[in-house]
Parts: sequence; C-alpha cells; structure tokens
Amino acid sequence: DSGVTQTPKHLITATGQRVTLRCSPRSGDLSVYWYQQSLDQGLQFLIQYYNGEERAKGNILERFSAQQFPDLHSELNLSSLELGDSALYFCASSVGVAGVADTQYFGPGTRLTVL
Amino acid sequence: KNEVEQSPQNLTAQEGEFITINCSYSVGISALHWLQQHPGGGIVSLFMLSSGKKKHGRLIATINIQEKHSSLHITASHPRDSAVYICAGLSPGSARQLTFGSGTQLTVLP
Repeated sequence: DSGVTQTPKHLITATGQRVTLRCSPRSGDLSVYWYQQSLDQGLQFLIQYYNGEERAKGNILERFSAQQFPDLHSELNLSSLELGDSALYFCASSVGVAGVADTQYFGPGTRLTVL
Repeated sequence: KNEVEQSPQNLTAQEGEFITINCSYSVGISALHWLQQHPGGGIVSLFMLSSGKKKHGRLIATINIQEKHSSLHITASHPRDSAVYICAGLSPGSARQLTFGSGTQLTVLP
C-alpha cells in the first residue's frame, strides 16, 4: 500500500459526459501528479500540482482540468468524454517538486470506460 | 521515435535466471525512474537514480548518463517477479516531468 488513495476504482460512463476523479496523497506529500495509461499510448504525464499550485503540464487535453485543494487532495475533471479517453488514470504523490531524490508513490488507479 | 525506449518488449525466463532489461533515452534527463506494474495494474516505484548503481534485494539498477542508458537487473528471478517493468526519464529544469518507456513484460516460469 503506497498510502495514495484514488476514488473511484472503476467508472463507466457515456460519451459526452463529465466525470471527476479524486486523489488523496500520502501524508506529508505536497506534490500530486496525474498520469493517463491507455493501451495505444502507454503511460503519459498529464499535470502536476505542488502545494495547491500548478507546477508542470504535460499532454493534458483542454477538455481535462485539475486542481489541488488546501487539504492537498486533488481532483481531475474530464469533460465531453470520448471513447478514446478510456484508460487507467493514476495519481502519484511526492514530498517535493520531483527533484532527483523525490520518489513518486502511485495510487491504485481509476479505470475509466467510456461507452 | 520514442524519447525513451526499452528492450526487450517481452521477456520469458525460467525461475532462477539472471534478467536484464535495458532502457535508452534520446533526450537529456536529470534522473531515471524504474517502475514495476503488477498484473492488477498497480504501480510501484523501484528506483530513482541519477548516476552509478542502486541495489535493493535482488534488484539492481545502473545508469550511464554519458551513454544515455540504464539497465535493471534481477538476480535469482522468481515467478512473483512477473510484471511489466517501465523506465521513465525525469526532465531537467523546472518542468520536471516523467517521460515513460513502453514497458517490458516479464514472465518468470516456475
């Protein structure tokens, strides 16, 4: 158990809908990262927050947004869902801002299926 | 061409064999991360290294920054080592993000 929790574990929804994925980092970790893992693209970095502020942005679509709240939990919002958004979404956390000594601890993931 | 490439894509070994998984990257990185993804999907961080070698139990990771190459070795492999092993390069500078390889599916047979 990494100490990172994600809810829900599974989510099935329809095209055009909007969903929210939630992540609670390990106690004491200030950074939260979101990743998408699809069959054709593999693992991709989406976005990072550090202590409530956006720190780095990767291949995140404009239909997706995220935020980190004062209690450090984070939410990833996916809207106007398409079939291609079906994937495993992982959250990870670390103490700092992804320095070379900063291990990232991964949550169990949310499996999103868009029908 | 991917910025981070792994080989082999698939590897089958007999229990007890010494295993090597390779990772090459074409971009500058500040560190390299090795991850293990279990059949159920969960991801565990194995190593983060920026130089030299690290060892944890039967796992050894090495990196040569000049040659842009890293290896993950598993000694005395066991069926419970069966998983997907993924390397990821940490970009330098302020925008520190991981770029992932496509993974190596390892199957260790009893």
